[in-house]
Amino acid sequence: GDSVTQMEGPVTLSEEAFLTINCTYTATGYPSLFWYVQYPGEGLQLLLKATKADDKGSNKGFEATYRKETTSFHLEKGSVQVSDSAVYFCALSAPNAGGTSYGKLTFGQGTILTVHP
Amino acid sequence: EADIYQTPRYLVIGTGKKITLECSQTMGHDKMYWYQQDPGMELHLIHYSYGVNSTEKGDLSSESTVSRIRTEHFPLTLESARPSHTSQYLCASSPPIRGLGQYFGPGTRLTVT
Repeated sequence: GDSVTQMEGPVTLSEEAFLTINCTYTATGYPSLFWYVQYPGEGLQLLLKATKADDKGSNKGFEATYRKETTSFHLEKGSVQVSDSAVYFCALSAPNAGGTSYGKLTFGQGTILTVHP
Repeated sequence: EADIYQTPRYLVIGTGKKITLECSQTMGHDKMYWYQQDPGMELHLIHYSYGVNSTEKGDLSSESTVSRIRTEHFPLTLESARPSHTSQYLCASSPPIRGLGQYFGPGTRLTVT
């Protein structure tokens, strides 16, 4: 079945440090890939996405590139801020036999990021 | 901005009570989902629906039930709450277009004493 593996946390960084959160996946077919962010006490928000190989999703200074050859979708940010402290989830949505989408997401286990001033 | 709402945001109840967690969306999405999020943050799909009168159990077995009588409304019910039901419950919906992901509500934090 489909699965997503994220690097284990928690991750603790100083402000302005470089961030990488690794994500690899296993899926049948050609999945769409997502990063979601969850701030304390809130639901998940879509951070960025990519739907085909070599696509780069980007938002709020975060980036991730869909690497089909390594089945990876690592999240990066060049300079983190205290306000980036949150839980980050990598996820995939696999297409059904007809090539459309059931819409179901398979999530990684989440990575807690804490950024100190 | 996604328009998906959950009520209540926080609920503390005693064992044995019946509760209903409400979820509504105004985007006209056919697909809706309920997740249970444990203290370790992992998300578990417990129910989903592909449209009115369609409901399916998710990957994690749950004693809760759901209904989908209207497109915009997807309530979750626990007939007899137990302390093991204490968790964060997240509702989501998704459009029919591939690659757009899911939109999440703010969640309900349930504590059963």
